[in-house]
Amino acid sequence: GNSVTQMEGPVTLSEEAFLTINCTYTATGYPSLFWYVQYPGEGLQLLLKATKADDKGSNKGFEATYRKETTSFHLEKGSVQVSDSAVYFCALYAGGTSYGKLTFGQGTILTVHP
Amino acid sequence: NAGVTQTPKFRILKIGQSMTLQCTQDMNHNYMYWYRQDPGMGLKLIYYSVGAGITDKGEVPNGYNVSRSTTEDFPLRLELAAPSQTSVYFCASSNGLAGRTDTQYFGPGTRLTVL
Repeated sequence: GNSVTQMEGPVTLSEEAFLTINCTYTATGYPSLFWYVQYPGEGLQLLLKATKADDKGSNKGFEATYRKETTSFHLEKGSVQVSDSAVYFCALYAGGTSYGKLTFGQGTILTVHP
Repeated sequence: NAGVTQTPKFRILKIGQSMTLQCTQDMNHNYMYWYRQDPGMGLKLIYYSVGAGITDKGEVPNGYNVSRSTTEDFPLRLELAAPSQTSVYFCASSNGLAGRTDTQYFGPGTRLTVL
């Protein structure tokens, strides 16, 4: 079956530090990959996505590249801010007759200190 | 355009009670979903719907029921609440026509505690 594995958390960084959150997946075929972010007390919102191999998704300074050879979609940001403190979820959409259903990783809590 | 709205925001139930979690979207989306979020476990799909009158089970449907009589509404019913149903519940919707680029839009969630 399909699965998504994220790096163990939580992650604590100082402001302006470099961020990497690892995400690897298992899927048949060619999934689409997503990063969702959940700010405290809110629902999830889409951060970025990539739909085919070597695509790079980017938004708000965050980037992730769809690497088929390593089945990975790691999230990076060059300089984090306190306002980036949130829970980050990697997810995949397997396509076909999946009816849009997403498979989520367990989430990584990011805390950024001033 | 309110997006996806959920009520209530918080609820405490006693074991054996029942309740309905409401979800409404105003984006005319075809697909709707119910997830539960347990600490450190990510989101698990409970039920989903691809249109009015059409629903199907997700990963963890036991103890829940859904209906979809309109495009806008997708209520989740808990019968005979159990402590294992203590969780945060999220409703989401998506267009259903964009294929592999489709984006799910989430509501703010309902935090349910069963004591």
